[in-house]
Amino acid sequence: EVQLVESGGGLVQPGGSLRLSCAASGFTFSSYWMHWVRQAPGKGLVWVSRINSDGSSTSYADSVKGRFTISRDNAKNTLYLQMNSLRAEDTAVYYCARGRTTLLNWGQGTLVTVSS
Amino acid sequence: EIVMTQSPATLSVSPGERATLSCRASQSVSSNLAWYQQKPGQAPRLLIYDASTRATGLPARFSGSGSGTEFTLTVSSLQSEDFAVYYCQQYNNWPLTFGGGTEVEIK
Repeated sequence: EVQLVESGGGLVQPGGSLRLSCAASGFTFSSYWMHWVRQAPGKGLVWVSRINSDGSSTSYADSVKGRFTISRDNAKNTLYLQMNSLRAEDTAVYYCARGRTTLLNWGQGTLVTVSS
Repeated sequence: EIVMTQSPATLSVSPGERATLSCRASQSVSSNLAWYQQKPGQAPRLLIYDASTRATGLPARFSGSGSGTEFTLTVSSLQSEDFAVYYCQQYNNWPLTFGGGTEVEIK
C-alpha cells in the first residue's frame, strides 16, 4: 500500500523558515516524480513544486520561486520542501503527492501557519 | 499559465440523481486533464486521468469526457459517499493548474 506521510508543519513568524518532510513507503520511491501542492484554509488546490525521480530537475510556481527548495533523498525514501522568507499568504496545508503529471497518491497534509 | 474554470461552484443533487460537473481551460490542454475528489478533512483522491480513464478501483458510475478546452465529469447516480468537492487539473503545460472546485452537496 502506498503511504505518504508529511511532517514538519507548524507556526512560524513572517520571514521565518520551515522544512517539510514527506516519508514514502509502499512503492519504489526512486522511480517517481514527486510534488508539493498546497491548500489555503477554505480554498482550492495550488501546485507548488515538483522534482524528477533522481532529483536532477526541479520546477516551482512563480509565487514560491527563489524562496522554496524541493529536494529528495532516495536512500531515505523522503521528499523535502525547504521554505524560507515565509509570508502570511504561504499559510496552508501542504500535501506531497506521487506522480509525473497526474497526482496518483497524496499524503494527509501538514499545516503551515505564518503569523506573528 | 493555463486557467481552469469549474462550474457550477456548488451543485445540489439528491441521492440517486445524476451530477454533471464542468471544467473549462483557457487554452487547449488536449486530453491532459485529471479529476480529483476531496472530502472534508481528507486529502484529494485521483478519480480520472487523460480526461476519461478511470483510476484503479473507481466505480463505473464516474465518467469523464471532453478534450481541448471543455471537459465534463459525470456521476450517474450519486451515492452518499460521493458528496464532496471535485477539482479538475490540467497537465498539458507547466505549471500544473487546478480549477477552483465544484462542491456537490445533498439537496
